[in-house]
Amino acid sequence: QKEVEQDPGPLSVPEGAIVSLNCTYSNSAFQYFMWYRQYSRKGPELLMYTYSSGNKEDGRFTAQVDKSSKYISLFIRDSQPSDSATYLCATREGPGAGSYQLTFGKGTKLSVIP
Amino acid sequence: DTGVSQDPRHKITKRGQNVTFRCDPISEHNRLYWYRQTLGQGPEFLTYFQNEAQLEKSRLLSDRFSAERPKGSFSTLEIQRTEQGDSAMYLCASTLTPTEAFFGQGTRLTVV
Repeated sequence: QKEVEQDPGPLSVPEGAIVSLNCTYSNSAFQYFMWYRQYSRKGPELLMYTYSSGNKEDGRFTAQVDKSSKYISLFIRDSQPSDSATYLCATREGPGAGSYQLTFGKGTKLSVIP
Repeated sequence: DTGVSQDPRHKITKRGQNVTFRCDPISEHNRLYWYRQTLGQGPEFLTYFQNEAQLEKSRLLSDRFSAERPKGSFSTLEIQRTEQGDSAMYLCASTLTPTEAFFGQGTRLTVV
C-alpha cells in the first residue's frame, strides 16, 4: 500500500460545477498537507497547504483535512476551463522530521468542459 | 524571473550515455530537492540538500545517480550509463520554509 492514495481519474465536469478531489494517507506522522496543480509538461505549482486538521479557503479553493480518518480533500467552486490540470496531493511529516520531503499521490487529471 | 530554473528542459540520450541536469533554486532558499516523476505518477523524492550538504538520499537513487550542490547555490544531477527505465521528468524544488516548496519546470529525459 502506498503512503498516499489518490484516484487518478480522469475526472470531467461541466464549467461551473463544484469539484471534489480526495486523497487518503496511511502515515500518522504526516502533519502538513498540500495541494499542487500541474499543467501538462510543467512543474507542480503549490495551490494551498494546511497544517493538521481543519479547513482552509482561498478564493474558489477549499482544502480540508480530517486526521482522524486520514482523509484530504480539495474543493473547487465554480470550476473554469483554466482549472483543467492534474491535481496532486502531498504530505510531509511535522517539525523535526529532517528533510521536509514531500510524499505525493498519483494525481487526479481534471477536465472542465466549457 | 526569480523562480526555480532547470536546464535543459528536454534531453534525449542513447542508452549507456551519461547525462547531467542543472537546477538553479530561488536565491535565498537553503533547501534543495530532486524528485523524479514518471507518466501517470506523482513526483518521488530522490535527494535533498541543505546548503551544500547532501543530507538525505532515497533508495530510488541508485549508484548510477550522483548529485552535487557546490557552494550551496545551483545543483547538478548526473546519471551515468543511462537505462530506458531512467526515462522520466526530473524535478527540482527549493524551499526556505517547511510549507512552501517551489518546483521548477523539470527536465524531461528520454532514453532511447
